[in-house]
Amino acid sequence: DIQMTQSPSSLSASVGDRVTITCRASQSIRHYLNWYQRKPGKAPKLLIYSASNLEGGVPSRFSGSGSETGFTLTISSLQPEDFATYYCQQTYNTPRTFGQGTKLEIK
Amino acid sequence: QVQLQESGPGLVKPSETLSLTCNVSGYSIRSGYYWGWIRQPPGKGLEWIGSVYHSGSIFYNPSLKSRVIISVDPSNNQFSLKLTSVTAADTALYYCARDEQGNWASDYWGRGTLVTVTS
Repeated sequence: DIQMTQSPSSLSASVGDRVTITCRASQSIRHYLNWYQRKPGKAPKLLIYSASNLEGGVPSRFSGSGSETGFTLTISSLQPEDFATYYCQQTYNTPRTFGQGTKLEIK
Repeated sequence: QVQLQESGPGLVKPSETLSLTCNVSGYSIRSGYYWGWIRQPPGKGLEWIGSVYHSGSIFYNPSLKSRVIISVDPSNNQFSLKLTSVTAADTALYYCARDEQGNWASDYWGRGTLVTVTS
């Protein structure tokens, strides 16, 4: 299985901050990397697909980059509704695997 | 608006079969996409279980393949998960999701349903 390693596992930040979350794959996954946001009691939300493509309806302050084994999710200016847990996922092959998550908290 | 809703028993006894259904609204399963299941045990990460196409094509996580059946019911616009011989390790929040073909991203998810394996 491809191992996905996210860092940091938790992060404290303030409204307006620029935040970057990193995801590394144990082998090349080309561009098959997705990012999700999850809030308690709500359905997880797809933010970025194929490493850098913004899902429809997702604010432009979210962006993704990277390829092969290294990827980042950046939130350019944190808003109150962005405090949540973020997960990366590789879909290069099965089983599709997730990072362990990054919990973004209010400082 | 595409919506997915999981349903099923919240408690299952060890060695029995866990059965969940995902009802899809706002989109016809027959129109395409794969339909899948993901779970998260308490305190652990997300685990992909598998996904199915309306024609029957299926991908399973090899670690669960011997115990899992995912099936699709286009006439009722729903799909199902069966997990046999459950143990406490199968206690988890179970999500259903729609998977895009090609990039395989899950673009719509249900809110999840907690299933506890306990005697």
